[in-house]
Order: sequence, then structure tokens, then C-alpha cells
Amino acid sequence: QSVLTQPPSVSGAPGQKVTISCTGSSSNIGALYDVHWYQQLPGTAPKLLIHGNSNRPSGVPDRFSGSMSGTSASLAITGLQSEDEADYYCQSYDNSLRGVVFGGGTKLTVL
Amino acid sequence: QITLKESGPTLVKPTQTLTLTCTFSGFSLSTDGVGVAWIRQPPGKPLEWLALVYWDDDKRYSPSLRSRLTITGDTSKNQVVLTMTNMDPADSATYFCAHKPHGTSCLFYWGPGTLVTVSS
Repeated sequence: QSVLTQPPSVSGAPGQKVTISCTGSSSNIGALYDVHWYQQLPGTAPKLLIHGNSNRPSGVPDRFSGSMSGTSASLAITGLQSEDEADYYCQSYDNSLRGVVFGGGTKLTVL
Repeated sequence: QITLKESGPTLVKPTQTLTLTCTFSGFSLSTDGVGVAWIRQPPGKPLEWLALVYWDDDKRYSPSLRSRLTITGDTSKNQVVLTMTNMDPADSATYFCAHKPHGTSCLFYWGPGTLVTVSS
């Protein structure tokens, strides 16, 4: 079981907004280590979507945004599109485990 | 332009040792703050971090797999090698390597991954 906790699935209709949560603890998100988000389309490698809690790499649409508060972080996707249907993972660093930690992933379904 | 690519056997037998190579371009592993990580993903399951080697040869391992893993960086060849001993069918997965840039813990660029099956 993953160190960071994500809901297994979320869904929304085209054009709507969805939010994916990522809950950690005092040794990772709560210790103010950055949270990063990845999008994984079927059969492909993960792609960095948000880094440093809220920063979008070049080319990522501003429909994607990230935030962090306390021991949790969130990824928001507005204006849902069919191509957003994918698995989403959060990632951080854990100072107790002294390494990278991932969430269990959230499958986004666009209805 | 940063690229990474994983290579190694597609099929290994139980109890054997797996050796995977990540060959990269567009950055140097000797650059301050840079690292290369290995991550795996069994079919239908989530990502699992395995190991990370930093520019200064500091090495970190997943606590649950530490005893079976060795990560080595070769700056002259632009390669990072991961070995995993005593392979089990449960280790069947797609194995990815990824680039950690300076100043962040994110994994910015990923290789396409290589599928490894453990079976007799």
C-alpha cells in the first residue's frame, strides 16, 4: 500500500471540474516536501503534469492546477476533455523513508 | 533535449538476477543536483519507486527492496545500471528510469519503460 493516499477513481462530464486528492503525513507532505503530479495514458510512461506543488511544465494546459495544504495536496482539472482520461499519480519525498514516494494512483473517467 | 531509454532482458527466470541499463542523453549525471531514478509498475498496478542515484554518488533505495537492489551510475557512459537479485514472478513489471533535475525532487523526464517478465 502506497505512502501517499489517493482516491482510486474520479469521474466527470466533459467541461466539468474534478479534483484529485493526495494525502500524506508529517514525514512527507506535512514536512513541506514538494508534491508533483503525473499523468499516465494507457500503455505509456508517466508524464510530469505539475511540479513543486503548483508549477506547470511548458506545454501543460492551464486547465491543470495543483495546490497543497497541511499534509495533503490536490490536483484540479477544469474544462474536462476526453483526452484527460488517464491515471494520475502524486509523488513527494519522505524523510523517514529517505526516498521517493508515490500515491496509489487515481483513474479519471470522462463520462 | 533530454532522453532516457531502458534496456535489458524481457524474460528472466525465478531466482535469477535482473540487470537493467538506463542510457540517457541531454544531461550529465555529474551535474550538481541531478539524479536518475528507477521506478516499476506491475500490470494494472501503481508506480513503485525502487532506487535513485545522485550526482555525488549518493544512493537511495526503497526500504522494502533495499536488500535486493544495487544502483550504479557511470558518468562516462551516460548510463545508470540497476540490479535486482532473486527475481520472483511478483517482480514482473514495466521498469522505468527517470531524470531528477537540480533543485527539485520531481522526475521530469522518463524513459518509455521496458517490460520484464519473471517466469520459468
